[in-house]
Amino acid sequence: AQTVTQSQPEMSVQEAETVTLSCTYDTSENNYYLFWYKQPPSRQMILVIRQEAYKQQNATENRFSVNFQKAAKSFSLKISDSQLGDTAMYFCAFMKPGTASKLTFGTGTRLQVTL
Amino acid sequence: EAGVVQSPRYKIIEKKQPVAFWCNPISGHNTLYWYRQNLGQGPELLIRYENEEAVDDSQLPKDRFSAERLKGVDSTLKIQPAELGDSAVYLCASSPPAGGWETQYFGPGTRLLVL
Repeated sequence: AQTVTQSQPEMSVQEAETVTLSCTYDTSENNYYLFWYKQPPSRQMILVIRQEAYKQQNATENRFSVNFQKAAKSFSLKISDSQLGDTAMYFCAFMKPGTASKLTFGTGTRLQVTL
Repeated sequence: EAGVVQSPRYKIIEKKQPVAFWCNPISGHNTLYWYRQNLGQGPELLIRYENEEAVDDSQLPKDRFSAERLKGVDSTLKIQPAELGDSAVYLCASSPPAGGWETQYFGPGTRLLVL
């Protein structure tokens, strides 16, 4: 079974600074998908960024980028120029290959962006 | 385009009472998921539907939980009877049949409190 570990329960960053959230996972699969989801206090889970394991290039979405280290089974999220609206729970998630598989989530990191 | 709709948003019941949650996925999304999110944890899959067929219900506690997706659109998740440990947020998600099938779109969730 796949497992996802987020070792940072809480993090804080000042507005406009950069923060990195860590995620490691365990799997015997060679191809899979990795995700970062954001869950603001309103509870709506929103996709932040997605990475296919067969792609070596790290995914980037505006201020959000990942550092995907397949051999180390590490998938960290970097948020640049942090904004107050980035305050939320961030979940790392894993998906096995195959159509519409389930997501396996980590326990989340609570990020607080301060003035 | 409307997102995933869930109702009710909040529900408080006494233990041993029945409760039902409703989900309307994004139009055209044939895959529907029900997740349960305990406090301080990431969501865990309860059941996945492909159209009207439940293709993964291995994590659904079938002694008290039931789900249906008549006509392959809306879905209802029921708990009868509810137990104290069922207090959680119940999230519904959907994904399209192709072109982005790996991305799941979540609803706002139903927060259940069992007293």
